Amino acid sequence: QVKLVQSGPEVKKPGTSVKVSCKASGYTFPNYGVTWVRQAPGQGLEWMGWISPYNDKTNYAQKVQARVTLTTDTSTSTAYMELTSLTSDDTALYYCARFRAAPGTGMVIDYWGQGTLVTVSS
Amino acid sequence: SYVLTQPPSVSVSPGQTATITCSGDKLGDRFASWFQQRPGQSPILVIYEDRRRPSGIPERFSGANSGNTATLTISGTQAMDEADYYCQAWDSSTEDVLFGGGTKLTVL
Repeated sequence: QVKLVQSGPEVKKPGTSVKVSCKASGYTFPNYGVTWVRQAPGQGLEWMGWISPYNDKTNYAQKVQARVTLTTDTSTSTAYMELTSLTSDDTALYYCARFRAAPGTGMVIDYWGQGTLVTVSS
Repeated sequence: SYVLTQPPSVSVSPGQTATITCSGDKLGDRFASWFQQRPGQSPILVIYEDRRRPSGIPERFSGANSGNTATLTISGTQAMDEADYYCQAWDSSTEDVLFGGGTKLTVL
């Protein structure tokens, strides 16, 4: 079965960086994209970006574009999200999710990881 | 930028039909998905491509999308359906993923 297992919680100081991993299993990793979504405490879902493991194509949300980098390692079926210059506003639960996309059908996000809590505090 | 708008909350009595809307300019021209998120859990896909249900999602969940509004309908609502629901669409011109602000469904 499809599983996305994320790395553990992180506590970071303002101004530092965090890198979250997302290990996929149960499907052919290059055949599906990975998108990252975060959720601040008590808030809604905020899309951050996506990456295609097939060709490393990426697309980032304008709000975080200057600070986020998405990468993948196809040898280990793992996706990574790195966010730099952290502030308290970045405190959130970070999710990775699998998606498929095809002409005429748009993007379908079908499986989500368990989430990684990132806390930014001095 | 493109915005998806949902009502913050919807209430329904057990066994009745719950309707959650998601509005956006010409949303009917795009495909919409819906996610259910129970407290402390990751989101779960309940509707994709406007009206398709993933395997394992009960038949009481249905979707529609036309004009400026996508709709998630839960027939015979059960206590276990109490959750936050998010609509999602795809902007093919920017390749951005769009989420609505979420709707808290209360079953009382």
